[in-house]
Amino acid sequence: NAGVMQNPRHLVRRRGQEARLRCSPMKGHSHVYWYRQLPEEGLKFMVYLQKENIIDESGMPKERFSAEFPKEGPSILRIQQVVRGDSAAYFCASDTGTGPGAFFGQGTRLTVV
Amino acid sequence: QKEVEQNSGPLSVPEGAIASLNCTYSDRVSQSFFWYRQYSGKSPELIMSIYSNGDKEDGRFTAQLNKASQYVSLLIRDSQPSDSATYLCAVTGGGNKLTFGTGTQLKVEL
Repeated sequence: NAGVMQNPRHLVRRRGQEARLRCSPMKGHSHVYWYRQLPEEGLKFMVYLQKENIIDESGMPKERFSAEFPKEGPSILRIQQVVRGDSAAYFCASDTGTGPGAFFGQGTRLTVV
Repeated sequence: QKEVEQNSGPLSVPEGAIASLNCTYSDRVSQSFFWYRQYSGKSPELIMSIYSNGDKEDGRFTAQLNKASQYVSLLIRDSQPSDSATYLCAVTGGGNKLTFGTGTQLKVEL
């Protein structure tokens, strides 16, 4: 499967726990984006990364959220001390950086109980 | 003012009709424009991209861009029940990140 791969598809965490979401970009893509979709809301940009480099994190909450895209392995979105308001679908997208547009993974549905 | 605005709908059209979806954007430096389709509980799927004024056709889909009016539209000809989904308009500015509208729900009725 050459598409954008995200795992896990579903993740349940108790309040205060950590959530780790993983994303492997499409083959040949070096740019990774994370978006969050809250229930009944649109997709909101969180962070844009290239290998070993955060390009734009203007959409990331200032606390508890972090992202990385190491030289080897998938991109990781990490949420520490999760709260119920973090419950959402988190989508990863990738592209080559020159268009025609980003391709999305299947998403991780995070539920905080 | 929202950066990308869409009518939330639902927009209902009969099978075989033309569905017209509209989107306006506020940032004049927006450079690239995209339409994504999202089925309920699924991920967004890229269906059209357009970069210059005018029309771009791909099968039953036509994207229209008017930068002077800051307006993008998507026409779906011969609408099918399988086209029933939420259609998301997205734009990029100077960078690569996508700014999305909240989407228009389309219902194609038999």
